[in-house]
Amino acid sequence: ETGVTQTPRHLVMGMTNKKSLKCEQHLGHNAMYWYKQSAKKPLELMFVYNFKEQTENNSVPSRFSPECPNSSHLFLHLHTLQPEDSALYLCASSQEGGGGADTQYFGPGTRLTVL
Amino acid sequence: GQNIDQPTEMTATEGAIVQINCTYQTSGFNGLFWYQQHAGEAPTFLSYNVLDGLEEKGRFSSFLSRSKGYSYLLLKELQMKDSASYLCAERDSNYQLIWGAGTKLIIKP
Repeated sequence: ETGVTQTPRHLVMGMTNKKSLKCEQHLGHNAMYWYKQSAKKPLELMFVYNFKEQTENNSVPSRFSPECPNSSHLFLHLHTLQPEDSALYLCASSQEGGGGADTQYFGPGTRLTVL
Repeated sequence: GQNIDQPTEMTATEGAIVQINCTYQTSGFNGLFWYQQHAGEAPTFLSYNVLDGLEEKGRFSSFLSRSKGYSYLLLKELQMKDSASYLCAERDSNYQLIWGAGTKLIIKP
């Protein structure tokens, strides 16, 4: 599936910068997700939105702030990040946000490096 | 606990068959997913199992045994393009996906 796009694909930022990651899905789905993927570790779910409402926040530090203006767009606002936040940030969408066979479709990710 | 275990890395030969195992220990079960992820790319959906048995899709098959908390992904007639990481994920009682760390599959000519 290539119906989920993410920008930018690569981002280098200093610890005092503020930046935003953008995700857009063209699949008509109602749920969107942010994940963090670090090398050799399982995907870590960060946030879930269902019909624009946040339904999950997995104890993510407040330096990560999500925004979901509509069912097709999802943002992750970043500020005062730490070097350990360097990772691949993946966005995903699914039809209904939780049913058994509900399948998540992923974007290509943003490779974030925090200096 | 919520552990998904799968081997870190496997190597196989082009044209051969490889089986990637996944075990899960979560209480509550609502399905098992397999995804493929090429380096630098998005994870892509391969299969979903919720009932015991084997699901076949072309060269790829996925097996589930709920009583054993066990699944495997079987890849036949391996091609070089199958070199990728394969992610196992279980949907738990809260309908969240719990992910394994992935198995990096290396295909040699």
